[in-house]
Amino acid sequence: DAKTTQPNSMESNEEEPVHLPCNHSTISGTDYIHWYRQLPSQGPEYVIHGLTSNVNNRMASLAIAEDRKSSTLILHRATLRDAAVYYCILRDVQNAGNMLTFGGGTRLMVKP
Amino acid sequence: DAMVIQNPRYQVTQFGKPVTLSCSQTLNHNVMYWYQQKSSQAPKLLFHYYDKDFNNEADTPDNFQSRRPNTSFCFLDIRSPGLGDAAMYLCATSRVRTAYEQYFGPGTRLTVT
Repeated sequence: DAKTTQPNSMESNEEEPVHLPCNHSTISGTDYIHWYRQLPSQGPEYVIHGLTSNVNNRMASLAIAEDRKSSTLILHRATLRDAAVYYCILRDVQNAGNMLTFGGGTRLMVKP
Repeated sequence: DAMVIQNPRYQVTQFGKPVTLSCSQTLNHNVMYWYQQKSSQAPKLLFHYYDKDFNNEADTPDNFQSRRPNTSFCFLDIRSPGLGDAAMYLCATSRVRTAYEQYFGPGTRLTVT
């Protein structure tokens, strides 16, 4: 399985943008990039996913490098509620047997 | 509106005493998953059901079993809990196995005394 590398932790100020990086140099052509986050004392929640093109949704934006070896999750205005562990996960969804495998994640701390 | 419900939120059991955790969903999803998350670690998949088809991960201990009596409910049975089984147990669902999004419940924190 292709692996991802994320910083252990990051800090941000409230109401400022946050860029969470993820390296995945061994990504295969059929791997989708997924992001989940886990708020304290809660289960993970889906944030966004993409394959090649940049993606936007109500929660965040996903910027994918042209060579797909890295990606960045962008929170446009961090709030205190965005403090969580953010997981970047590669998954070949075309293969039904390929499950979601969580790695270390990045713990995002948001300062008021 | 709660979509994936786990009961209880906190469970205490004794070493070696069987325990059952429950999960229910209102999404009518075909797939239900059980993950184990130990302190300061990432969630780890134990097994999943696609409809009634049970799929065990290769490294899931035999001590862990699961039942899915109907679409809405799924149970995690730990036959003889050890101290190392203390963890948060997370239930999740997805419409199909290839779905991009899984929906997680709040988890049940299991303590083994």
